[in-house]
Amino acid sequence: QVQLQESGPGLVKPSETLSLTCSVSGGSISSYYWSWIRQPAGKGLEWIGRMYNSGSINYNPSLKSRATMSVDTSKSQFSLKLSSVTAADTAVYYCAREVEAAGRSLDYWGQGTLVTVSS
Amino acid sequence: DIQMTQSPSSLSASVGDRVTITCRASQSISIYLNWYQQKSGTAPKLLIYAASTLQSGVPSRFTGSGSGTDFTLTISSLQPEDFATYYCQQSYTTPRTFGQGTKVEIK
Repeated sequence: QVQLQESGPGLVKPSETLSLTCSVSGGSISSYYWSWIRQPAGKGLEWIGRMYNSGSINYNPSLKSRATMSVDTSKSQFSLKLSSVTAADTAVYYCAREVEAAGRSLDYWGQGTLVTVSS
Repeated sequence: DIQMTQSPSSLSASVGDRVTITCRASQSISIYLNWYQQKSGTAPKLLIYAASTLQSGVPSRFTGSGSGTDFTLTISSLQPEDFATYYCQQSYTTPRTFGQGTKVEIK
C-alpha cells in the first residue's frame, strides 16, 4: 500500500520561503508524476505543480514562478519550496501521486499539512 | 487555463436518493476528467478517473459519464457515508484545474 506523508514547518513568516517534503513509502518513486495541491480553509483545491524524476516539471503559472519542486529518489522523497509567501499562501498542503495509466488522476494522497503564514 | 464549473454548489438529499452532479469544462478535455470525494478534515479520495472508470474499492453506486466538455457524477442511492464534498478535475493539460466543489448535505 502506497503511503505519502507531508512534513515541514507549520508556521512561516511573510516574505520567507515555505519548504515541505513528501515521503513516499510502499512503492517506487520512479515512473510516476508527483504533485502538490493546496487548499485554503473552507475553500477549494488548487494544483501547485507536478514533477517526474526532476526531468519534467510543470508549475501552475498562477504562482508566478515562486514554486520549486525537487526529488530525492534515494530517500523516496520529493519537495516543494514556495518563496516570498504571503497570508494568501496559508493553506493545507497535500502531496499526491499522478498515474498516467489511470487517466492522469491523483490516486494516492498524503494526509495534508497546514501551513500558516504569519509574523 | 481550463475552467471547470460544477453545479450545483451544494445540495440537500436524503439517504436512498439518486444524486447527480455536473461538471463543465471551458474547452474539450476528451475523457480526462476525474472525480474526488472529500470528507471534512481529510484528504480527497479518488472515485472515478477517465470520466467513467471506477477506482478500485469504490462502491458501484458511483458512476461517471461524459466526454468533451460535459460530465456527470451520479450516486444511485445515497448512503450516510456519502455526505461529503465532491470535486471534478481535468487532467487533459497543465495546469490541472479543479471544479469549485459540490457539497452534499443531509436533508
